[in-house]
Amino acid sequence: DTEVTQTPKHLVMGMTNKKSLKCEQHMGHRAMYWYKQKAKKPPELMFVYSYEKLSINESVPSRFSPECPNSSLLNLHLHALQPEDSALYLCASSQATGHNYGYTFGSGTRLTVV
Amino acid sequence: KQEVTQIPAALSVPEGENLVLNCSFTDSAIYNLQWFRQDPGKGLTSLLLIQSSQREQTSGRLNASLDKSSGRSTLYIAASQPGDSATYLCAVRDSNDYKLSFGAGTTVTVRA
Repeated sequence: DTEVTQTPKHLVMGMTNKKSLKCEQHMGHRAMYWYKQKAKKPPELMFVYSYEKLSINESVPSRFSPECPNSSLLNLHLHALQPEDSALYLCASSQATGHNYGYTFGSGTRLTVV
Repeated sequence: KQEVTQIPAALSVPEGENLVLNCSFTDSAIYNLQWFRQDPGKGLTSLLLIQSSQREQTSGRLNASLDKSSGRSTLYIAASQPGDSATYLCAVRDSNDYKLSFGAGTTVTVRA
């Protein structure tokens, strides 16, 4: 298995809703990442998990809450989002956070906040 | 701070032509450079990963070169096909940061 699987593919939520994005990989990778991508822009890093521990938070608002229950799974919990949070959310993984490793990205979750 | 630039921003060619996509970066102290393909509204597909000690990587019709000292990489796609239409992103992993620094991408259209 050489894929990163993200669910759901599309999500529409109201500003008062609570929802979660899920990311799964079975490549034995020990680093996992959340990125946010706005239309026609490159991806922006949000969070980095290394060996199931949060190692980097790029000053992301607290309405985004990441969770790494085990080495294969990464969640992003969403609460009280704003319309400007509408974007493509990408999950990625790498063998570790070491500098020689390439990244594998998932197909993304298209989030619309209404 | 690493700055990554991709030129051109968009490219339209007839089927069968070779594609040349350019990526430049300001800080040559990098660990690796990765080329990705992105279809509209989709995730990123890794095409090639070049370590800093390497000069080029090849996969099928794709060839990527790296000149670390001059801060440049070029992605060549031979004999383009309509299915090659997509946005191509280069990303640099530099020695001063844990992040990938992305270029803004080159959007390619291959006309049948």
